[in-house]
Amino acid sequence: GQNIDQPTEMTATEGAIVQINCTYQTSGFNGLFWYQQHAGEAPTFLSYNVLDGLEEKGRFSSFLSRSKGYSYLLLKELQMKDSASYLCAVNVPDSWGKLQFGAGTQVVVTP
Amino acid sequence: ETGVTQSPTHLIKTRGQQVTLRCSSQSGHNTVSWYQQALGQGPQFIFQYYREEENGRGNFPPRFSGLQFPNYSSELNVNALELDDSALYLCASSLTSGGTDTQYFGPGTRLTVL
Repeated sequence: GQNIDQPTEMTATEGAIVQINCTYQTSGFNGLFWYQQHAGEAPTFLSYNVLDGLEEKGRFSSFLSRSKGYSYLLLKELQMKDSASYLCAVNVPDSWGKLQFGAGTQVVVTP
Repeated sequence: ETGVTQSPTHLIKTRGQQVTLRCSSQSGHNTVSWYQQALGQGPQFIFQYYREEENGRGNFPPRFSGLQFPNYSSELNVNALELDDSALYLCASSLTSGGTDTQYFGPGTRLTVL
């Protein structure tokens, strides 16, 4: 079966850095996505990694190691509006465009 | 804003009833995927449609069915509703059915089954 694990909740202070880890064991791999989801809203796309290494996009960076089945999302200079659930999703090539999601990590930013 | 819309926003049904949820994809996006998201969980893949044909299906029974229309709109139908069907239903559109295309999600329909 497919297995995608991420921590349930993380708390950090405004202005700090938080790293959300995601490990996956899937029948195949065709890329990894990170989405942000505020309560009651749609997931919004943050990043996509298909090759090993770090992708930086403003305050957000995402890292991938395919050999270790591991990714992380790094949020820098945290702001209150970053309080949300962060979803790690693997594209599994046995079904076109099917995303296998983790349960999400709830990030709470405190003043 | 992703340009993907869904209706209705909220819906309450009773067990055994049938429901139709609607989605309007971004213009030009030929692929729509539907997901079910239970409270506190990640979205679970229901199925995907590409150019009006079902293109892949997750572990959902046949009472979950769909349609996609040429005008970039689509429907998710659920028959014989069960209490466990209570969830947020999300549609996501992408340019092609290829897995590397980013999927853009709509705001979802919150279904409550009593």
